[in-house]
Amino acid sequence: KAGVTQTPRYLIKTRGQQVTLSCSPISGHRSVSWYQQTPGQGLQFLFEYFSETQRNKGNFPGRFSGRQFSNSRSEMNVSTLELGDSALYLCASNSGGSDTQYFGPGTRLTVL
Amino acid sequence: GENVEQHPSTLSVQEGDSAVIKCTYSDSASNYFPWYKQELGKGPQLIIDIRSNVGEKKDQRIAVTLNKTAKHFSLHITETQPEDSAVYFCAASMGAGGTSYGKLTFGQGTILTVHP
Repeated sequence: KAGVTQTPRYLIKTRGQQVTLSCSPISGHRSVSWYQQTPGQGLQFLFEYFSETQRNKGNFPGRFSGRQFSNSRSEMNVSTLELGDSALYLCASNSGGSDTQYFGPGTRLTVL
Repeated sequence: GENVEQHPSTLSVQEGDSAVIKCTYSDSASNYFPWYKQELGKGPQLIIDIRSNVGEKKDQRIAVTLNKTAKHFSLHITETQPEDSAVYFCAASMGAGGTSYGKLTFGQGTILTVHP
């Protein structure tokens, strides 16, 4: 099976702009989680989607949002970008009935 | 919420030595504890995991132990090789069937360097 894919891999934006990141889970997996990774805060949970429904959300401002489509692909959006949003954004795929989460390669977002 | 502490933050060993990384967690409801390896420019890769009904699990050179009473778990790598050099993360979760739907809380990571 193909692994988790994320696009784009690299992105450069300026403050105030918005950005959309995409994640395609492993075929057959219905759950997608998003994490933010920074040197200072480490890996932090953003939100989790299952069958197009957000089931859990981390402690991030409302500028961070996401959605999941009927084919389980997911997107996350960050509006009004701030310098502190520069990070590696990781998507994790899960079958929905298992504990195991498989991560994609991430999208490296740089905010200038 | 759950809090996971990981030590040490950096670990340097000679090839062939053993490496041990330790984590403690705060929420007794956590029941799933995975370990991930992250290489430069890549996403975290699951290397081993353990559930709370098991005290120890081994996979070739890698083993994980869990002490539920003390709320700590450890990763043991034996006969280390230079290709084991990476950042290792521990995590804790209440599991996919729990109220947090498998949300992982991560430790801060350990940079492991194996010198040839």
